[in-house]
Amino acid sequence: EVQLVESGGGLVKPGGSLRLSCAVSGLSFRSVWMTWVRQAPGKGPEWVGRIKREIDGGTIDYAAPVKGRFTISRDDSKNTLHLQMNSLQTEDTALYYCTTGLQNGYSYWGQGTLVTVSS
Amino acid sequence: DIQMTQSPSSLSASVGDRVTITCGASQSVRSFLHWYQQKPGKAPKLLIYDAVTLESGVSSRFSGSGSGTDFTLTISGLQPDDFAIYYCQQSYSTPLTFGGGTKVETK
Repeated sequence: EVQLVESGGGLVKPGGSLRLSCAVSGLSFRSVWMTWVRQAPGKGPEWVGRIKREIDGGTIDYAAPVKGRFTISRDDSKNTLHLQMNSLQTEDTALYYCTTGLQNGYSYWGQGTLVTVSS
Repeated sequence: DIQMTQSPSSLSASVGDRVTITCGASQSVRSFLHWYQQKPGKAPKLLIYDAVTLESGVSSRFSGSGSGTDFTLTISGLQPDDFAIYYCQQSYSTPLTFGGGTKVETK
């Protein structure tokens, strides 16, 4: 069974930092591209960014609202995905999901970790 | 960025109805279009990928069609478990983008 488990969310003040993690099991982690998607309360999903697998160059792409503030990384030895979030803004308040799939589309999702940015 | 526009934003339907949701892309996404279902408190669930391919384990009452800029999700014979929000998403180019969602409510 494929499992994705996010952790690291919490309450942080504007301008603060937070590091999210996503532990993956049940599939060959190094073989998949990994993605972060967030969903603000009452809103639709928003793509945050993705990291390709190493054999595809490990390229990382970000959405404009987070570029330069967020950093995606992966540790293939630990089957773990990370999202380092700096200079957090109130607009970053959301449920953050990690997600992936074996073909196009995101078949596997975690349960999400809530990030609240508030003073 | 490619903008994804869904219509309607909400609809009311009864069990057994045939429901159609459309998704338009601001430029061609070829067939890199996927459909998700989301229920309250849950992560989105992939229903259809590559515009027409049913995800494993998903009921065959869901079907997708279209290519380029115009896509459709059809639910044939709405079931009680199908009342949810549906999103389309393109993966043709970054940033990957989602539609605004269609809420299917009970009439």
